[in-house]
Amino acid sequence: AQSVTQLDSQVPVFEEAPVELRCNYSSSVSVYLFWYVQYPNQGLQLLLKYLSGSTLVESINGFEAEFNKSQTSFHLRKPSVHISDTAEYFCAVRVNRDDKIIFGKGTRLHILP
Amino acid sequence: EPEVTQTPSHQVTQMGQEVILRCVPISNHLYFYWYRQILGQKVEFLVSFYNNEISEKSEIFDDQFSVERPDGSNFTLKIRSTKLEDSAMYFCASSGLAGGPTQYFGPGTRLTVL
Repeated sequence: AQSVTQLDSQVPVFEEAPVELRCNYSSSVSVYLFWYVQYPNQGLQLLLKYLSGSTLVESINGFEAEFNKSQTSFHLRKPSVHISDTAEYFCAVRVNRDDKIIFGKGTRLHILP
Repeated sequence: EPEVTQTPSHQVTQMGQEVILRCVPISNHLYFYWYRQILGQKVEFLVSFYNNEISEKSEIFDDQFSVERPDGSNFTLKIRSTKLEDSAMYFCASSGLAGGPTQYFGPGTRLTVL
């Protein structure tokens, strides 16, 4: 069965510092990978996705994630965080031809002033 | 930009009552989903719906739950007799020819069962 592991439940980081949120998945078949963001008191928003092609994907607000098949990872990075990045970040996987998305437990990004 | 909408944003109900949560998926999408997130826990899949029938459901989606697409735009989740443990945020999502394998989520309905 597929699963998603986000090892860090909470990551504190100073404003303008870099951050990496880790995500590992397990699957014996090919997958689609996603990062969703949930700002305080809001719903889930798609941040970025890997479907095929280039293993490095970017969002419009400076986040990027790299699909590493050999390490079954899809870590999320940003070189310089802003206070507005305070949110919970969910890594998710969808198996080809499967319906459901499987979510990790989420990582709460806490920006320190 | 088209988006998934959900109503109501908050719903408070008494245990044993029926509730209907409503969703309007993105208009050219063909696949519809419900997920839920109990406070402090991960987002969990409930059910997927395609071509007017359930295509996949989780163990959570028991006989108390049902889904329906009553017209060309709405997609509903009904809980027949609510329990305390049904209190959660319920998210609707859709995907389809335009979105491909990507699922786009609505803002959620927070259901509180008293």
